[in-house]
Amino acid sequence: KNQVEQSPQSLIILEGKNCTLQCNYTVSPFSNLRWYKQDTGRGPVSLTIMTFSENTKSNGRYTATLDADTKQSSLHITASQLSDSASYICVVSVGQAGTALIFGKGTTLSVSS
Amino acid sequence: EPEVTQTPSHQVTQMGQEVILRCVPISNHLYFYWYRQILGQKVEFLVSFYNNEISEKSEIFDDQFSVERPDGSNFTLKIRSTKLEDSAMYFCASSETTIYNEQFFGPGTRLTVL
Repeated sequence: KNQVEQSPQSLIILEGKNCTLQCNYTVSPFSNLRWYKQDTGRGPVSLTIMTFSENTKSNGRYTATLDADTKQSSLHITASQLSDSASYICVVSVGQAGTALIFGKGTTLSVSS
Repeated sequence: EPEVTQTPSHQVTQMGQEVILRCVPISNHLYFYWYRQILGQKVEFLVSFYNNEISEKSEIFDDQFSVERPDGSNFTLKIRSTKLEDSAMYFCASSETTIYNEQFFGPGTRLTVL
């Protein structure tokens, strides 16, 4: 069964600190892995997209890594800001057309001052 | 900046009624999607749509659901006979192409079935 597991479930950090979120997946056939940010009551917004051949992808203060052998990914957030408070969701694209996305439950990040 | 829009933002309906959720994808996008998110749970894929036909669908997308692109701009999700468990946030998304392309999500329609 296709599954995406994330840890931790929630995280509280101080503004300015760094953090790393983890994702493990079991999907077939794997197409690509994405990280999304979702604010409460809003639609997800894409942060990074990586194929199996990419190890690292950055988007500003967000850096995602992918190990296709161990089926693990991480999202590192540098110098956190209050606006980073949101749910961060690991998403894996599956299927022949690569259009079906399997979502993790997300990590809820709270950045406090 | 172009964005995906959805109407209504909130829909309340009685169990057994039909509902139509509407979406206007980004104009040059060719692929369209519906997802749902039950309160407190993860986002779930429902269906993808390309060239006026369904590309992929999940087990959730049964005969009670249908999608349509009635004109050049709208993309709709119809639920024929709503059930209590259909209560959720429904997100529409669109992308230029598929596999490697970013999907842009709309703000969602909150469906409440009473």
